[in-house]
Amino acid sequence: QSVLTQPPSASGTPGQRVTISCSGSSPNIGSNYVYWYQQLPGTAPKLLIYRNNQRPSGVPDRFSGSKSGTSASLAISGLRSEDEADYYCAAWDDSLSGVVFGGGTKLTVL
Amino acid sequence: QLQLQESGPGLVKPSETLSLTCTVSGASIRTTSHFWGWIRQPPGKGLEWIGTLSYTGITHYNPSLKSRIAISGDTSNNQFSLWLSSVTAADTAVYYCARHDSPRGYFDPWGQGTLVTVSS
Repeated sequence: QSVLTQPPSASGTPGQRVTISCSGSSPNIGSNYVYWYQQLPGTAPKLLIYRNNQRPSGVPDRFSGSKSGTSASLAISGLRSEDEADYYCAAWDDSLSGVVFGGGTKLTVL
Repeated sequence: QLQLQESGPGLVKPSETLSLTCTVSGASIRTTSHFWGWIRQPPGKGLEWIGTLSYTGITHYNPSLKSRIAISGDTSNNQFSLWLSSVTAADTAVYYCARHDSPRGYFDPWGQGTLVTVSS
């Protein structure tokens, strides 16, 4: 059971916009930054979004992050087949004194 | 360009100690404000933070693993290592090392990961 809650799966067709939610609580998302990672099949995770809504250089602007209260979202617009991957949210948890991850969302491009 | 590479045995017996090393290139592990983390992923499951080593040598551990883990750095070889004692099958996972922006921050970049199987 993960501290941060994500839907196990999401899907969309090419060109569509999809969003993935990440629900937490006051000690984690409510008080700290949210990070998003993309894990393509068979590879290591890659940083996608940092500090709630910042994109590292090289990440397309099709990817965007937002946070409101104790929840966060990752939006992917103009969906492409190469976006098919697992997506994880993460945050620091003040109560646990540690980094916590969501359970991950498997995105399928139909 | 910062790169990290994990190394260590791929098979560990139950009750023994798992030992992994992460070799860093492109930056010194003692560079001010640099932190270095370990994360694991059981087969088919999600990510779990194990612990983080700071450039000063201070460590931050996952409370759920704290009694069994140790992380330390080797500045002469620019490496940092993870030890996990009393392993069980539940510790079977791909283990990743990564630069940790700060104890509360993000992991980037990641090593390619190494699979460790706990089995007799």
